[in-house]
Amino acid sequence: GDSVTQMEGPVTLSEEAFLTINCTYTATGYPSLFWYVQYPGEGLQLLLKATKADDKGSNKGFEATYRKETTSFHLEKGSVQVSDSAVYFCALSKGGQGAQKLVFGQGTRLTINP
Amino acid sequence: GAVVSQHPSWVICKSGTSVKIECRSLDFQATTMFWYRQFPKQSLMLMATSNEGSKATYEQGVEKDKFLINHASLTLSTLTVTSAHPEDSSFYICSARGISNQPQHFGDGTRLSIL
Repeated sequence: GDSVTQMEGPVTLSEEAFLTINCTYTATGYPSLFWYVQYPGEGLQLLLKATKADDKGSNKGFEATYRKETTSFHLEKGSVQVSDSAVYFCALSKGGQGAQKLVFGQGTRLTINP
Repeated sequence: GAVVSQHPSWVICKSGTSVKIECRSLDFQATTMFWYRQFPKQSLMLMATSNEGSKATYEQGVEKDKFLINHASLTLSTLTVTSAHPEDSSFYICSARGISNQPQHFGDGTRLSIL
């Protein structure tokens, strides 16, 4: 079945460091890909998305490019802030942006120290 | 933007009681709602998908008699954990989606603790 694999956390960085969180997927067909962020005690917020190969999603300084050849959707940010501390989930769905159920990776906890 | 409200945010109750969690879409009509369960430091696991006015579709391994889902209107879905036991303690999150091309919008979750 479809699955998403993220790099294991936790990840701890200093403020202004460069961030990469790896995400790879296994799916038949052409899934849409997402990054969600979860702040402590809250639900998930959509951070960015890409719906087809070579699309780049971006938001709040975060970027991820849909790479079909490597089945990857790595999350990057050039200079992280303390406020970026959260858990990040990579996810996929098929049949449109949300038409089908989301399949989540295991999540990566990110801590940014001042 | 689209807002999903979940209530209560935290509930503690005794073993054997039933607990109802509400999920409301505040500014859009949610034709489909999803219920997820999240264990500490783990990912979200989809429990069931519900469409307004029809029975929920449960994922494999989820007991439909244990986790009752009702989606009676386009703005409200409820999850009732019946005869709750300590192993049902978890973080439950709902999401809602309008028409089929729209993304899911998530509630803030409900932390359920069964003593």
